[in-house]
Formats: sequence, C-alpha cells, structure tokens
Amino acid sequence: DAKTTQPTSMDCAEGRAANLPCNHSTISGNEYVYWYRQIHSQGPQYIIHGLKNNETNEMASLIITEDRKSSTLILPHATLRDTAVYYCIVRVNYGGSQGNLIFGKGTKLSVKP
Amino acid sequence: DVKVTQSSRYLVKRTGEKVFLECVQDMDHENMFWYRQDPGLGLRLIYFSYDVKMKEKGDIPEGYSVSREKKERFSLILESASTNQTSMYLCASRESSGRLPYEQYFGPGTRLTVT
Repeated sequence: DAKTTQPTSMDCAEGRAANLPCNHSTISGNEYVYWYRQIHSQGPQYIIHGLKNNETNEMASLIITEDRKSSTLILPHATLRDTAVYYCIVRVNYGGSQGNLIFGKGTKLSVKP
Repeated sequence: DVKVTQSSRYLVKRTGEKVFLECVQDMDHENMFWYRQDPGLGLRLIYFSYDVKMKEKGDIPEGYSVSREKKERFSLILESASTNQTSMYLCASRESSGRLPYEQYFGPGTRLTVT
C-alpha cells in the first residue's frame, strides 16, 4: 500500500495558487518526498522532490513540515493545463526493489476558468 | 529530452491471444519498468529490469512475462490474454540508482482491450 494520504479531489481557480496536501506520517529518515502528475491520456511526469528543506523549481514549490510528516505541493499560478492527477510518493534514494515508486490514488486537481 | 515510446496507443485483442507490448527509450537508461493502471487502483508495478537480461517481479506479475534483450527495449508479454488484463499499460525508464532525482520517465501508455 502507498505510504501517503491525499485528498481525492480539489478545485482551483485559474491564476490562483493550488496547494495540494499530502500526509506521510510514517516516513522514515532516509525517505524522500516525490511529486508526480498525470495529465489525462499521458504517462506520469516528475514534478519535484525533497528531503527536509523546502524546494522550488520552474514547475512548483514543495513545502515539507519540520517533523516531515506532511508536505504541500504549491503550483503558484495554476492554469487549465495543470488539471491532472497529482501523486505524492515517499521513497528511499537507492536502487533495487526497495527504491521503486509506489503510486497511490493521488489527488485529482481541476483548474477552473 | 528523454523519450519513451510505446508501440501502440490502442490495442484490441481476443481472449487467449499472445500479446506483445513494446517499449523503447532513447537515453541509455539502465532501468525500465512496466505498470498497469486501472480506475481506483492507481499504478501497479508488473515487472522491472535493472539492465539487459535482468528482470525482477513487481507487485502483480501473474499472467505476464518480460524480455530485455537490448538496453533500449523492454517488452511486456501476455502469454494468453484474458479480459481481466484489459487496462492501460505504462512503460517507464530511469538511470541507475544513486543519482538524484529518482526520476522515472514514462511513455504515453497503451490502452489494451481484451474481448
């Protein structure tokens, strides 16, 4: 089973920030938080990852709480093209079967005009 | 950009047929994966391959086999297709472990219908 909990769905107005929460209360010290998204009829796409510190890239920002039990993905100015299912995944950073991605059900984000 | 391609976007097969799903990546990645995606169940790992001729079962390998004869190509085989294998099949690849980010690159998917 996935080790994360996410809301099933969320709505966001176009141009506003979308804040997608994720709970990972059993995360261990060597596990990273990863976010992927899947736009309809496409394969999943990597967005961002982090360990302890907040991270930002050209797509999004990732805020991880100090106790690391939850995180929030922020899309600062959501567009209609950001409508997708967003997956929060925790994993260790080494290979082998222990390091495989486990996708839960994700959050379906609908960006509305 | 990394490109992962899958041989078909849509495929319709009959029960009992042998089905081959092909995946090719162009970035010399060591690791390749096959997932299936079903409504309400998310993505589930079928098989993955560390390198040429190396494979390991994922969470739901029953009814499937794989082949990795060349580094860039990873094939999923349904020996005798059944209706419960109707699904979206996704292939992915990544570099070998040790480098951040652990980023898998996915293909567009093959929607297989078994009648």
